[in-house]
Formats: sequence, structure tokens, C-alpha cells
Amino acid sequence: AQSVAQPEDQVNVAEGNPLTVKCTYSVSGNPYLFWYVQYPNRGLQFLLKYITGDNLVKGSYGFEAEFNKSQTSFHLKKPSALVSDSALYFCAVRDGSGYSTLTFGKGTMLLVSP
Amino acid sequence: DTGVSQNPRHKITKRGQNVTFRCDPISEHNRLYWYRQTLGQGPEFLTYFQNEAQLEKSRLLSDRFSAERPKGSFSTLEIQRTEQGDSAMYLCASSFSGTSSTDTQYFGPGTRLTVL
Repeated sequence: AQSVAQPEDQVNVAEGNPLTVKCTYSVSGNPYLFWYVQYPNRGLQFLLKYITGDNLVKGSYGFEAEFNKSQTSFHLKKPSALVSDSALYFCAVRDGSGYSTLTFGKGTMLLVSP
Repeated sequence: DTGVSQNPRHKITKRGQNVTFRCDPISEHNRLYWYRQTLGQGPEFLTYFQNEAQLEKSRLLSDRFSAERPKGSFSTLEIQRTEQGDSAMYLCASSFSGTSSTDTQYFGPGTRLTVL
């Protein structure tokens, strides 16, 4: 079985400061990892994904994520937060060996204060 | 707008009634997925189609839930004899899968169901 843990229900950061949203995963095969963002009353928007290759993945809106196989982590980062980044962020994992369904974490609310 | 669309956006119904939701995927996408999201949780996978074939339906929550994609384009999700516990956001996603399994799912805005 595959699973995702997002240990923080909420992350608070001041505008202009760097942000990190944490994610750890468990999967039997090679992991395919994703980050999505959800704004109020909206669907999920794709931010970035890790399939293979470089451990640092760059995505939309200046976000990036670092894959760490030994720590089974895929933390989302941004060097300088914007108030408009305030939203609900979801990490998701899929087993890359053959097709499997996408499993999501519970989400982390990011609040960026002016 | 060429994204995934879902209708209706909101549905209020009384317990025991049947409801049907529609999802129109991105036009060139051959895979379509249904998820349920409850408050404070991430999306929970329900079922998916590749073209018109329903390849995974064991995660549908009960036999009251069914989904179709008759011509490999739009899909419908039906809930029969609704219960208050069915109140949730129902999300649809689509993706294109060629020879790779690394397809990315793109989500619609969701249909929020409230069962009174």
C-alpha cells in the first residue's frame, strides 16, 4: 500500500520569507511524486512532479521541490513567499512500477502574512 | 477555457434521492478519474476510465455509486439513494497516457454535494 504524510496542518510565513511545506511518502516501487494547490472553491491545480532524474524539480509560480530518496521526502519550497500563495497544498504519490492510483496527503494550509 | 469542466457545481438533494454528476475532460485526454474529497482530507480515488473502459472500480464506496463513460469522452457519476454521509466534493480529473505511465492528472472545479 502507498501513503503520504503531510505532518503540518498549517504553515505560517511572512511575505518575502522562504517557505517549506513538508511531505513524506511510502511506496513499494519507484515513486512518482506530485504537488497540487487548491484555492477556495476551486479544483486542484498541478504545480510540479518528480518522475526520475534531477532531485530538484522546478514547477509553476516559482515553486520547487526536492526529492530525497533516503528520507522518503518530497518537500515543497519557494525562496520568497507571496500573500497570493496562501492556499491548501496537497502532496501525492503513485507507484511507478506499472499503473497505480494516485494517493493524496491530507493537505497543508499555507498562510502568508503581509 | 479548455480545462476539465464539471456540472453542476453545486447540488443539494434530500436523503434517498438519486443524483448524477457530469465531467467533460480535456479533449485529447484518454484517461478520466473520479475522486471524493471531504472536509479536511485529500482527494480519495473512486474510479478511472481509459477511453470507454472502466479499469478500476473497486474503490467505489458502495454499490450505490456507479460511473459511465459511454463514448470515451464525457463521464457521469451517479449516486443512488443518497445518504447524509455522501455529502462531499466530487472531483473529476483527466490525463493523457501514451506509452508512458507518467501522465499528469488535471482536475476540474468539482461538484459540491449536500444531502439534507
